Amino acid sequence: SYELTQPLSVSVALGQTARITCGGNNIGSKNVHWYQQKPGQAPVLVIYRDSNRPSGIPERFSGSNSGNTATLTISRAQAGDEADYYCQVWDSSLVRFGGGTKLTVL
Amino acid sequence: EVQLVESGGGLVQPGGSLRLSCAASGFTFSSYEMNWVRQAPGKGLEWVSYISSSGSTIYYADSVKGRFTISRDNAKNSLYLQMNSLRAEDTAVYYCARGNRRGGFDYWGQGTLVTVSS
Repeated sequence: SYELTQPLSVSVALGQTARITCGGNNIGSKNVHWYQQKPGQAPVLVIYRDSNRPSGIPERFSGSNSGNTATLTISRAQAGDEADYYCQVWDSSLVRFGGGTKLTVL
Repeated sequence: EVQLVESGGGLVQPGGSLRLSCAASGFTFSSYEMNWVRQAPGKGLEWVSYISSSGSTIYYADSVKGRFTISRDNAKNSLYLQMNSLRAEDTAVYYCARGNRRGGFDYWGQGTLVTVSS
């Protein structure tokens, strides 16, 4: 089965840039979507199809995908960005989520 | 405004059954693909099932195949998940989510908690 690997946690200083990776075999050939989930809330789509932002998502959120790694980048990190982040792909007829990364803003 | 509202969760004994519903509003439900995603307490997201806009194409995660059935009623703007032979490991918050492989899951409900325990 297709596996997605994310770091358990990432820390970033307030105002700096956070990068959250999602590793998978030739993931660059797939569409990668990213979700933000805050405690007690439903997930929110923050990046779709590698690098596209849904309406209402700040420009500070960006994405890239190449080779075996997709990356979610959060620029000028704010306290409100503290959350769990999940990557997602479709593998044939199945949907895979990464294990999630807890982002801490220091 | 797009809204997805799940219902039907609760406490059920192992081996029991439960039917979840998801009421959709604020968009043309019959035009959109839908999914169920679950999250066990303190754990990550796990996709459960997908259904195409017409209901003609359905996919399941291996963990629920043969036990769960997804369906939809486009006339009632509703999505369903029939869960049979429930196990303790099915305990989770179940979300319905609109979306597909190209655009991701762009809207989610607030979730409904299913607890499987004796």
